[in-house]
Amino acid sequence: EIVLTQSPGILSLSLGERATLSCRASQRIDSIYLAWYQQRPGQAPRLLIHGASNRATGIPDNFSGSGSGTDFTLTISRLEPEDSAVYYCQQYMYLPGTFGGGTKVEIK
Amino acid sequence: EVQLLESGGGLVQPGGSLRVSCTASGFNFRSCVMGWVRQAPGRGLEPVVEISSTGSATYYADALKGRFIISRDNSKNSLYLQMNSLRVEDTAVYFCAKKSESSSWYEPFDKWGQGTLVTVSS
Repeated sequence: EIVLTQSPGILSLSLGERATLSCRASQRIDSIYLAWYQQRPGQAPRLLIHGASNRATGIPDNFSGSGSGTDFTLTISRLEPEDSAVYYCQQYMYLPGTFGGGTKVEIK
Repeated sequence: EVQLLESGGGLVQPGGSLRVSCTASGFNFRSCVMGWVRQAPGRGLEPVVEISSTGSATYYADALKGRFIISRDNSKNSLYLQMNSLRVEDTAVYFCAKKSESSSWYEPFDKWGQGTLVTVSS
């Protein structure tokens, strides 16, 4: 089973700052099988990024993904109030797809 | 508009059974791989099971294999999860989720329902 480790656990930043979230896999994943989701409090997860770097429909260009092999990154270029949420990475190369433990982004 | 509506959650005693359902609308349900993902209170996302567009193949999380059974009825645009021998640690919100209409397994979940809460307690 592929284990995804996300860091940091909590990221506390100010409005307008850049957020960098990490997802590390226990073994190599083809980048086409890596996704990022956003989950706001009390809501269902929402797909942000698929194939490591492709924004899902309707996702603003404030969000970007990168990485390959075992190391992947989600970047929020300028934090806005509505970005306060927990972010999860997921691999779907091996099924059922597994998730990282999440990074909580807090706005100071 | 794509919609996934879960139902059937509630309180059940340890050792009991429960079936939750997901009714889909706004897309071609019979063309999509579907899945269930759960989230224990205050915890992260945990995969439960995925099912092919025809219902002929499934992928279960190893820890849940044998107790949980997924099924679908494409004529009713509905997905089901039968949960047996329930344990306190199965308490969670159960989300129904869809993949794209390509019928491919190797896609992310592009839409999720709001979830249904299952509480296992005596």
